[in-house]
Parts: sequence; structure tokens; C-alpha cells
Amino acid sequence: DSGVTQTPKHLITATGQRVTLRCSPRSGDLSVYWYQQSLDQGLQFLIHYYNGEERAKGNILERFSAQQFPDLHSELNLSSLELGDSALYFCASSVAAGQLQKNEQFFGPGTRLTVL
Amino acid sequence: DAKTTQPTSMDCAEGRAANLPCNHSTISGNEYVYWYRQIHSQGPQYIIHGLKNNETNEMASLIITEDRKSSTLILPHATLRDTAVYYCIVRAPYGQNFVFGPGTRLSVLP
Repeated sequence: DSGVTQTPKHLITATGQRVTLRCSPRSGDLSVYWYQQSLDQGLQFLIHYYNGEERAKGNILERFSAQQFPDLHSELNLSSLELGDSALYFCASSVAAGQLQKNEQFFGPGTRLTVL
Repeated sequence: DAKTTQPTSMDCAEGRAANLPCNHSTISGNEYVYWYRQIHSQGPQYIIHGLKNNETNEMASLIITEDRKSSTLILPHATLRDTAVYYCIVRAPYGQNFVFGPGTRLSVLP
């Protein structure tokens, strides 16, 4: 158990819908990262938040957005869903941002999103 | 980010040491080498990381060559539960995220 929690575990929805994925980082961790893993793309970095502020963006679509709240939990919002958005979505947390480059990231169990 | 190259797949007999190689010939002087693994569709699990010295923890050992262009992850006594995809990652200076390649699929055989 990494200490990172994600809800829900599974989500089934239809094309065009909007969903929200939730992540609670490990106690004391200020950074939250979101990753997407689909069958044909592997693990792809989406976005990083540190202490409530966006720090870096990866391959995140404009239909996707995220935020980190004062209690440090984070939500990933996916809208206008397409079949290709079906994937595993992982969040990870670490103590600090990139300055402490040796910091490891601890991953949650993921949310499996299925778009029908 | 420095690129890494790993074999696509490897087999290892249960109880034997599993040695997983990784090439990172373009690594910069201040980049760390990290290893993660992913069992089935679970979240990636941190294993170990290092800069230039060899490292050991309760899970594995990491051997980094003197020129830092390659490394080897060693699982000393592989068990069936070590069957997973193993990712070798080099993290850029002040990097924000990890860049995952396809990794090595390790199968531990009874």
C-alpha cells in the first residue's frame, strides 16, 4: 500500500459525458502527478500540481483539466469523453517538486475508465 | 530526458537472481536512475534509485557502471510475485515527472 488513494476504482460511462477522478496523496506530500495508461500508449504524464499550483503539463488534452485543493487532494476532470479516453488513470505523490530531483513518486492503485 | 533502452522481455527461474539491464548512454552527470515495476494493472511501485554508487534496499540492488551509461537491477531471489513489467527511468535535472518507456516484462517461472 503506497498511501495514495484514488476513487473510484472503476468508472463506466458513455461518450460525450464528463467524469471526475479523485486522488488523495500520502500524508505530508505536496506534489500530485496524474498519468494515463492506455493499451497502445503506455504510461503518459498528464499534469503536475505542487501545493495547489500547476507546475507542469504533459500530454494532457484540452478536454481534461485538474486542480489541487487546499487539503492537497486533487481531482482530474475529463469532459466530452471519447472512446479513446478509455484507460487507467494513475495519480502519484511526492514530498516536493522537481527541485529535490531524487524524490521518488508513490503511485495510487488507479481508476479504470471505460467509455462506451 | 535521457533515453533508456531495456530488453522487451526476460525469464527467470524462481529462487534465482533476476538481473535486469538498462542502457542510458546519454545520461547527464546529475540525473538519477530510477527503477519502478508494475504488476498487472496495479499502480507502478517504486523499487530503488541511485546516482553513481551502487544501492541496496530490502527489495533489490542497483548496480551502476562507473561511466554511468548502464545499470542493472538485481532481484536476489526472484519469486512468482516478482512477475511484472520493470521500468528503468532516468530523471532529468529538475524534472517534474517520470517518462516511462515500454520496460522489461519479467516472467518468473516455477
